[in-house]
Amino acid sequence: DIQMTQSPSSVSASVGDRVTITCRASQGISDWLAWYQQKPGKAPKLLIFPASSLQSGVPSRFSGSGSGTDFILTISSLQPEDFATYYCQQGTTFPFTFGPGTTVDIK
Amino acid sequence: QVQLQESGPGLLKTSETLSLTCNVSGGSVSSRGGFYWSWIRQHPGKGLEWIGYIYFTGSTYYNPSLKSRVTFSMDTSKNRFSLSLRSVTAADTAVYYCAKGPYGKKDVFDNWGQGILVTVSS
Repeated sequence: DIQMTQSPSSVSASVGDRVTITCRASQGISDWLAWYQQKPGKAPKLLIFPASSLQSGVPSRFSGSGSGTDFILTISSLQPEDFATYYCQQGTTFPFTFGPGTTVDIK
Repeated sequence: QVQLQESGPGLLKTSETLSLTCNVSGGSVSSRGGFYWSWIRQHPGKGLEWIGYIYFTGSTYYNPSLKSRVTFSMDTSKNRFSLSLRSVTAADTAVYYCAKGPYGKKDVFDNWGQGILVTVSS
């Protein structure tokens, strides 16, 4: 299986801060990477797929970049509704696998 | 807009079979050339594990980690698909989600059910 890692595992930030989350795949996955946002008690929501394509309705403060094994999710100016856990997921090789998540909480 | 909703028992005993159903509205599970219907689970306080998918043709893929115990099925007359997980243990305690990808895509999940917590106890 392709192993997905994320760093940091958690980050404390304030409204207006720029937040960067890194995702790394154990082998190259081209740009076949998705980012999801999950709030407590809710299902994940797809934000970005492939690596840099924002889904419809997702605010432009979210952006994704990367290719191969290293990917970044950036929130340019953190808003109160962005406090959540973020997961990356590879979709190039069976079985599809997720990263362990990065929790963004209030500083 | 397709909507998904999981249903099934919330509590099972060790060695029983977990049976969950995902009811689909706003779209057909059997749309030709259409959607891949997946199951994904999340252990309490943990990350996400993709269990696999069923396609409108009936073709399936199962995560090798669960392949020996899991079966997917589809009921087109009721517009729903199902998961069966045999011989459950406490390690199967999780929130189970059904999900779908965009049209024709199996590798990403743009629409999720609300999830159902399944607890396995002895």
